[in-house]
Amino acid sequence: GAGVSQSPSNKVTEKGKDVELRCDPISGHTALYWYRQSLGQGLEFLIYFQGNSAPDKSGLPSDRFSAERTGGSVSTLTIQRTQQEDSAVYLCASSLAPREQYFGPGTRLTVT
Amino acid sequence: AQSVTQLDSQVPVFEEAPVELRCNYSSSVSVYLFWYVQYPNQGLQLLLKYLSGSTLVKGINGFEAEFNKSQTSFHLRKPSVHISDTAEYFCAVSEPSYDKVIFGPGTSLSVIP
Repeated sequence: GAGVSQSPSNKVTEKGKDVELRCDPISGHTALYWYRQSLGQGLEFLIYFQGNSAPDKSGLPSDRFSAERTGGSVSTLTIQRTQQEDSAVYLCASSLAPREQYFGPGTRLTVT
Repeated sequence: AQSVTQLDSQVPVFEEAPVELRCNYSSSVSVYLFWYVQYPNQGLQLLLKYLSGSTLVKGINGFEAEFNKSQTSFHLRKPSVHISDTAEYFCAVSEPSYDKVIFGPGTSLSVIP
């Protein structure tokens, strides 16, 4: 079956512009996660959605970052007024139970 | 709060030699533990997981890990590595009562011919 998909695969943007990154989770998966992976670094937790519960936003680095999940499926991560330090690979993962995550291929964001 | 430590950021090892990648976690409650692998220019995939039961867990590609509650460790082992095992390995932890998964910083395994 289809895995987790993310779009775009690559995004180059100018400093100060807003970007939207999209994640399509595996159908039926109730949990959805966003992580950030900077060059040579581990996975930095950003945000977690579980069903209809309020999302856990504890990992968002600043108020320039936001995410939503519509209809319990597709999620969009928005970064406003991008900065060069936002350059990274943004990974999305989904899971059903218990906790085994399926990762998408990521979106590589480059802020120039 | 949960945290995961992977003390070795880089591990070089010769082909066909054994390898152990260390992972320690901190949590005041019972945990679920995972190892993920990220091959060069690819996404992450699950190697193995511990949820309950036997403390020795076998995964894909000949890897295994042992959960040691008293030492709060979940070290990954393989008796004989191949060139194709060169990758980044991430240890992760979550609590049964909450789905949030915390990842360690990763260990880069380089297999030398």
